[in-house]
Amino acid sequence: DGGITQSPKYLFRKEGQNVTLSCEQNLNHDAMYWYRQDPGQGLRLIYYSQIVNDFQKGDIAEGYSVSREKKESFPLTVTSAQKNPTAFYLCASSPSTGGYQPQHFGDGTRLSIL
Amino acid sequence: QKEVEQDPGPLSVPEGAIVSLNCTYSNSAFQYFMWYRQYSRKGPELLMYTYSSGNKEDGRFTAQVDKSSKYISLFIRDSQPSDSATYLCAMGEDTGRRALTFGSGTRLQVQP
Repeated sequence: DGGITQSPKYLFRKEGQNVTLSCEQNLNHDAMYWYRQDPGQGLRLIYYSQIVNDFQKGDIAEGYSVSREKKESFPLTVTSAQKNPTAFYLCASSPSTGGYQPQHFGDGTRLSIL
Repeated sequence: QKEVEQDPGPLSVPEGAIVSLNCTYSNSAFQYFMWYRQYSRKGPELLMYTYSSGNKEDGRFTAQVDKSSKYISLFIRDSQPSDSATYLCAMGEDTGRRALTFGSGTRLQVQP
């Protein structure tokens, strides 16, 4: 079955700790995205990548970092610089970037502070 | 002002009712319009996709776009308890690399 797999489902972070969220897709899509979802605020774009070894900041990139070493993988690191990391994180992909491309989502990772 | 506005609800209806969900937007460059359904603790799934103005129907779902009013709607006929979810609208521009812009979502509850 083609799709997007995010892991883990739940993650807890201690103060001063970096944590990495995994996102893998087998849809052969070039573009991948990370969103943050907070209650009442919809989806906010953190980073996106059009192609391997290239990525762009979204609207709320501060305190986050990404890498895109393989087409199918786009991990997100939440660094200690992100002071309010508690949220639901969603990874998505599409054949390419552009506003005409619907995006396909994984089932998210819920990050909480210990 | 947000680029895309969506009433958060919750909207509660009896089973079998016709549901109307709406979004307004301010960016006239939006040409592509989508509706996603999101169940609790899950990722959004694409329901409907339309380009420019007009209607699109798929089973019990109808999407309408009125670009002159910058207003889009999703209608659900014969609503079922399984339709209880949060519905997100999303919009995209014709050019450039910009990703989609999402509304904040409307929570729908269909009572059996």
